[in-house]
Amino acid sequence: DAKTTQPNSMESNEEEPVHLPCNHSTISGTDYIHWYRQLPSQGPEYVIHGLTSNVNNRMASLAIAEDRKSSTLILHRATLRDAAVYYCILRDGGSQGNLIFGKGTKLSVKP
Amino acid sequence: SQTIHQWPATLVQPVGSPLSLECTVEGTSNPNLYWYRQAAGRGLQLLFYSVGIGQISSEVPQNLSASRPQDRQFILSSKKLLLSDSGFYLCAWSVRPPWDNSPLHFGNGTRLTVT
Repeated sequence: DAKTTQPNSMESNEEEPVHLPCNHSTISGTDYIHWYRQLPSQGPEYVIHGLTSNVNNRMASLAIAEDRKSSTLILHRATLRDAAVYYCILRDGGSQGNLIFGKGTKLSVKP
Repeated sequence: SQTIHQWPATLVQPVGSPLSLECTVEGTSNPNLYWYRQAAGRGLQLLFYSVGIGQISSEVPQNLSASRPQDRQFILSSKKLLLSDSGFYLCAWSVRPPWDNSPLHFGNGTRLTVT
């Protein structure tokens, strides 16, 4: 699986938008971009995924660069419950299921 | 809505003892089921997956085994634990098979410490 690069940490104020960047310059044409988040001592929680087009769901939006070498997870209004480590992961369309998590971005949300 | 239950939350076992971790999914039928292990500060390693009752695929050779006796039940076992088996074990399910890039939904994990 290709590698992703994310900032170690970010801070946000409650109710403000948050843009979490991810670089994946070695992405292949069949790699999907997945985002998960994880709280301490809990399992990862699926957030969103996409291939080429921008994606929206009830949790977040995913903006994918035209060359697909980077993407941004957008939380439209951060809440205290959004404080977690966010992982950007590339999954090959034909892979069995190994999830190679990098170090992720630890998001802190201030009230 | 679908929920996944995994227990126990924490477990301390001596070397050489057996292991049984159980996972059940509610609110869906024919789920694809997975066992992962997460080492501290590292990614998730897929151990086993199952696309149906009695169907188990092993990804990593080790002293662990998995079984799926019922549609929504997945069990991780070992006859004799090793120190290296310590870790955070996660059960997950998905709607579609693993090669279909389906999102994974995880349980809250079991923290296993082998002493």
